[in-house]
Amino acid sequence: EVQLVESGGVVIQPGGSLRLSCEVSGFRFRDFTVHWVRQSPARGLEWVSLFSRNGRDTFYADSVRGRFTISRDISRNSLYLQMNSLTTEDTALYYCTKELGTMFFDSWGQGTQVIVSS
Amino acid sequence: IVMTQSPATLSVSPGDRATLSCRASQSITNNLAWYQQKPGQPPRLLIYGASTRATGIPPRFSGSGSGTEFTLTISSLQSEDFAVYYCQQYDRWPPITFGQGTRLGIK
Repeated sequence: EVQLVESGGVVIQPGGSLRLSCEVSGFRFRDFTVHWVRQSPARGLEWVSLFSRNGRDTFYADSVRGRFTISRDISRNSLYLQMNSLTTEDTALYYCTKELGTMFFDSWGQGTQVIVSS
Repeated sequence: IVMTQSPATLSVSPGDRATLSCRASQSITNNLAWYQQKPGQPPRLLIYGASTRATGIPPRFSGSGSGTEFTLTISSLQSEDFAVYYCQQYDRWPPITFGQGTRLGIK
């Protein structure tokens, strides 16, 4: 059974930094492109970033490029999202997702909540 | 690419048919997915390639369309089908983009 379990969400002040983690199981992690997608009442579902199955390529939404960094650790079956210079606009439930085909998602975690507030 | 869903809210009686629309701001050929989301749960993949049902999705869910206009049809609505539905394009990325959702409620 495919599982993705996110962690690391907290309440944090604007300007702060945070690292989210996603531990995966039930599939060969290195063979799939994995993504972060976030959801908030204000912005709806918003794609954030991807880490390619080729082990090299990463992409980011314009709203987070230069502030967020995605990475993975194959040995730990884990995906990460380093989030810097956080603003209130980053408040959201952050999901880790796995692709079925190209750029659509058949498996999602339950999400981890990030609240940026002073 | 901006994805626009209509209507924002739809009320349908159990057993009836529901038709949800999604429009892309430019052609995305058939690179469109549909998801269902219930409260407290992540989205669930229903349809990809505009019309291919994902594993385990019942045949009452069907998708159609190409280019810029797409439809998700749910025939004979069951109680478990009342939820929020999102479309998502994956033709031109980054970014992947989602519609704002259609809330399907009980009439």
